[in-house]
Amino acid sequence: EPEVTQTPSHQVTQMGQEVILRCVPISNHLYFYWYRQILGQKVEFLVSFYNNEISEKSEIFDDQFSVERPDGSNFTLKIRSTKLEDSAMYFCARQGRTNYGYTFGSGTRLTVV
Amino acid sequence: AQSVTQPDIHITVSEGASLELRCNYSYGATPYLFWYVQSPGQGLQLLLKYFSGDTLVQGIKGFEAEFKRSQSSFNLRKPSVHWSDAAEYFCAVGARTFGNEKLTFGTGTRLTIIP
Repeated sequence: EPEVTQTPSHQVTQMGQEVILRCVPISNHLYFYWYRQILGQKVEFLVSFYNNEISEKSEIFDDQFSVERPDGSNFTLKIRSTKLEDSAMYFCARQGRTNYGYTFGSGTRLTVV
Repeated sequence: AQSVTQPDIHITVSEGASLELRCNYSYGATPYLFWYVQSPGQGLQLLLKYFSGDTLVQGIKGFEAEFKRSQSSFNLRKPSVHWSDAAEYFCAVGARTFGNEKLTFGTGTRLTIIP
């Protein structure tokens, strides 16, 4: 199956700064997701996105987080004012119309210092 | 709410030996079930998935898993492990909600292979 590309692969940012993580799924996929994995811990659901709207979000996904699909292909996760505890690996995932499984991107490792 | 339990945090197996990783789930109906593998610093690779039908599912790299409804389990097996199988393994359950099949992951099992 086609890969999901995430950029950057690693980003270091200062606490309080805004970061934008990008995901480039295939355009005919309808459902997109962001997950987070803090180092050494399990993968946690953040948000699902369908038809240019958030369909569900977890309690982790507070007002500091937002998602967009600004140009019909890229899918972004923005963290407005990063905190130390936002340091984690962030995975984008896509789900196709007929594919009942996920394809995850290779992840972006975010380090907040 | 759905949940997944992987009771073994760390398993060590000799190369060539058989492997079974345990996974128990909680979900109100028949779930979607997945096993993913993650090498250090890498992304998540899908090993196999169960949606319906045959309860014994074959995956990549010689892995298989069996869905047992009566035990709420979806254990991963491999008859003979290779050193390259050393990694973290995650079981996940997906809700059968059309258009929003978020996954809930277990805490993972780290597999170490010894010569």
